[in-house]
Amino acid sequence: DIVMTQSPLSLPVTPGEPASISCRSSQSLLHSNGYNYLSWYLQKPGQSPQLLIYLGSNRAPGVPDRISGNGSGTDFTLKISRVEAEDVGVHYCMQALQIPLTFGGGTKVEIK
Amino acid sequence: EVQLVESGGGLVQPGGSLRLSCEASGFTFSSYWMYWVRQAPGKGLVWVSRINSDESSRSYADSVKGRFTITRDNAKNTLYLQMNSLRVEDTAVYYCARDGLRKNAFDIWGQGTTVTVSS
Repeated sequence: DIVMTQSPLSLPVTPGEPASISCRSSQSLLHSNGYNYLSWYLQKPGQSPQLLIYLGSNRAPGVPDRISGNGSGTDFTLKISRVEAEDVGVHYCMQALQIPLTFGGGTKVEIK
Repeated sequence: EVQLVESGGGLVQPGGSLRLSCEASGFTFSSYWMYWVRQAPGKGLVWVSRINSDESSRSYADSVKGRFTITRDNAKNTLYLQMNSLRVEDTAVYYCARDGLRKNAFDIWGQGTTVTVSS
């Protein structure tokens, strides 16, 4: 199974400041078609997860451009250029390259 | 509105069975691969099962293989998860999710249904 490792576990942030979350996979997520099968999700308190980023760097519809994803192979990063209150919750990365699909352990973003 | 609505959760004794349903609306259900993902209390997300658009391919996590069965009825726009021989460790919120076309990611999630396995 592909193991997904996120860091940090917890990320206290000041509104308006940048934030960054790392996700590393135990195997490359680069498909032969050139796409990285890595997605990012945010689970706000008491809600279902919602898609933020797919195929490594593509923003889902409605996701603000202050949120971005980059990386390739085994190292990926979710960046928030200016944290807002709506970014609070647990962020997860997930690989969809092979079964079983696997998620990172999550990074809890909270406002200082 | 594109929507997934789960139902069928509840309290069941160890060894018991439950069938979860996920009704889709607002999109052409038969065109999409569908998934079940669960989340134990206070824990992270775990993939459970997937089914392709015409039911010709199904996959399961090792932890549920042989006990859970994923099916779908494209005429009724509904996804199912039959759960047998339930264990205490199956206690979780179960989400159905849609695999967005050419996204290889879950672009629509249901609100979740809670399964509690306890004596």
